[in-house]
Amino acid sequence: KAGVTQTPRYLIKTRGQQVTLSCSPISGHRSVSWYQQTPGQGLQFLFEYFSETQRNKGNFPGRFSGRQFSNSRSEMNVSTLELGDSALYLCASSGGDRDTQTQYFGPGTRLLVL
Amino acid sequence: AQKVTQAQTEISVVEKEDVTLDCVYETRDTTYYLFWYKQPPSGELVFLIRRNSFDEQNEISGRYSWNFQKSTSSFNFTITASQVVDSAVYFCALFTNQAGTALIFGKGTTLSVSS
Repeated sequence: KAGVTQTPRYLIKTRGQQVTLSCSPISGHRSVSWYQQTPGQGLQFLFEYFSETQRNKGNFPGRFSGRQFSNSRSEMNVSTLELGDSALYLCASSGGDRDTQTQYFGPGTRLLVL
Repeated sequence: AQKVTQAQTEISVVEKEDVTLDCVYETRDTTYYLFWYKQPPSGELVFLIRRNSFDEQNEISGRYSWNFQKSTSSFNFTITASQVVDSAVYFCALFTNQAGTALIFGKGTTLSVSS
């Protein structure tokens, strides 16, 4: 099976702009989670989507949003970018037939905000 | 509250040495899952192992072994005969119903293996 894919891999934006990141889960997985990784805060959970519904949300401002499509692909959007949004954004999918807890991660999108 | 602590920030070893990465977790849930992930410089988190709270059987897989002890809330990971390719950041993570569907990660341990 193909793994989790994320596009784009690298992104440079300026403050105030908005950005959309995309994630395609492993075939058959219905849950997609997003995490932000920074040197200072480590890995932090953003939100999780299951069957096109947000099922869980972390402690991030409303500038961070997401959605999931009927084919389980997911996008996350960050509006009004701030310098502190520079991070590695990781997407993970889960929900295989025998294991719904294990999350498999994509390669991430490195976002730099100038 | 749920928490994962990886007290070792960085570890440096020479090839062929054995190395153990420590992980201590906190949760009040009786059912939970523990994970180890490896993050090489490329950035992708690679799943290594999962353990259920009701399964304390330790496991060996090639050069890797894991020691899960509920009595001390620890889930340690050992690499035997380390290799340069083992150099990466290793994360311990906790999954509980109380945390919903979010993985709670430790801060990670950077392992450097030199030749």
